[in-house]
Amino acid sequence: AQSVTQLGSHVSVSEGALVLLRCNYSSSVPPYLFWYVQYPNQGLQLLLKYTSAATLVKGINGFEAEFKKSETSFHLTKPSAHMSDAAEYFCAVTLKTGANNLFFGTGTRLTVIP
Amino acid sequence: ETGVTQSPTHLIKTRGQQVTLRCSSQSGHNTVSWYQQALGQGPQFIFQYYREEENGRGNFPPRFSGLQFPNYSSELNVNALELDDSALYLCASSPTGLAVNEQFFGPGTRLTVL
Repeated sequence: AQSVTQLGSHVSVSEGALVLLRCNYSSSVPPYLFWYVQYPNQGLQLLLKYTSAATLVKGINGFEAEFKKSETSFHLTKPSAHMSDAAEYFCAVTLKTGANNLFFGTGTRLTVIP
Repeated sequence: ETGVTQSPTHLIKTRGQQVTLRCSSQSGHNTVSWYQQALGQGPQFIFQYYREEENGRGNFPPRFSGLQFPNYSSELNVNALELDDSALYLCASSPTGLAVNEQFFGPGTRLTVL
């Protein structure tokens, strides 16, 4: 079975500071991993994805994530937070086969302090 | 290119009633997945449709059912509504043959059961 755990349901950072959102996964086979962002009253938007190519993945809006198999982690980072980054962030895992549905973590709400 | 659209945006029902939610997939996508997102939680997979057939189902009771039409649009039907069915229902579509199973989400339908 596959699952993800997001450490920290709420994270606050100052504008311009480093953003680090943590995600650990559990999977019996090599997974595909995703980070999605959800703004209030909206659906999910894909930030980036890991598909077993490069372990350092760059996404939109300056975000990136590094796949670390030894740590079963896929943490999301951004060097400098912007006010517009305030949102809910979800890590998700899926397998290549079958219905390839996404298994989501419980989310991390990011607050950016001016 | 039109993205994934969902209707209605909001819906209020009473316990025991039935509801139908609708989703139009993104152009060129033939796979539609439905997710339930309870307040403060990550989305949970309900089921997926591929070329009008159910292609996988999550841990939801049979009173959650769906359809996919020849134009790849989809419906989610929920019978005998319960209070715990109150949630944001998200539809996501995927294009044919995309190996990494990227899903594109609609804005969701907010269902409130009283």
